[in-house]
Amino acid sequence: DIVMTQGALPNPVPSGESASITCRSSKSLVYKDGKTYLNWFLQRPGQSPQLLTYWTSTRASGVSERFSGSGSGTYFTLKISRVRAEDAGVYYCQQVREYPRTFGAGTKLELK
Amino acid sequence: EVQLVESGGVLVQPGRSMKLSCAASGFTFSSFPMAWVRQAPTKGLEWVATISTSGGSTYYRDSVKGRFTISRDNAKSTLYLQMDSLRSEDTATYYCTTDGGAYWGQGTLVTVSS
Repeated sequence: DIVMTQGALPNPVPSGESASITCRSSKSLVYKDGKTYLNWFLQRPGQSPQLLTYWTSTRASGVSERFSGSGSGTYFTLKISRVRAEDAGVYYCQQVREYPRTFGAGTKLELK
Repeated sequence: EVQLVESGGVLVQPGRSMKLSCAASGFTFSSFPMAWVRQAPTKGLEWVATISTSGGSTYYRDSVKGRFTISRDNAKSTLYLQMDSLRSEDTATYYCTTDGGAYWGQGTLVTVSS
């Protein structure tokens, strides 16, 4: 199984600052079609997860431009610019390159 | 508006069975591979199973293989999860989602306890 390892944030993050979350995979997430199958989700307290980005860097419909995904191969980053109160929650990376799908353990973002 | 509405979550004894349903609307259900993802209390997300658009292919995590069965009825736009031989470690909120994660239901709580 592909193991997904997420980094921590130096919480709390001051409102208006930027925050970056890292995610490493134990195997390359590049598929034979050339795409890199890495998703980022945000789960706000008491809510279902929300897709932020897919294929590493493509923002999902309706997602703010303040969220940007980057990376390649086995190392990925989600950057949140100008952090706001509504960005608080737990962020998960997920690989969908192969089965079983696997998630990172989650990274909590708390705001100051 | 896209909606995924799960139902069927209850308190059940270990070793018993139960079936979850997920009614979809607002999108072309038959065009999306569908999945179940669960979350144990205070824990992270865990993929459970995926089914292809036609239902002809299914995939499971090892811990539920042989006990859980994912299925779908495209005519009814409904996804199912039959769960047999339930264990305490299956206790979680179960989410219905498109396999790519674009759409999620609100989740239904399954508690396995004597």
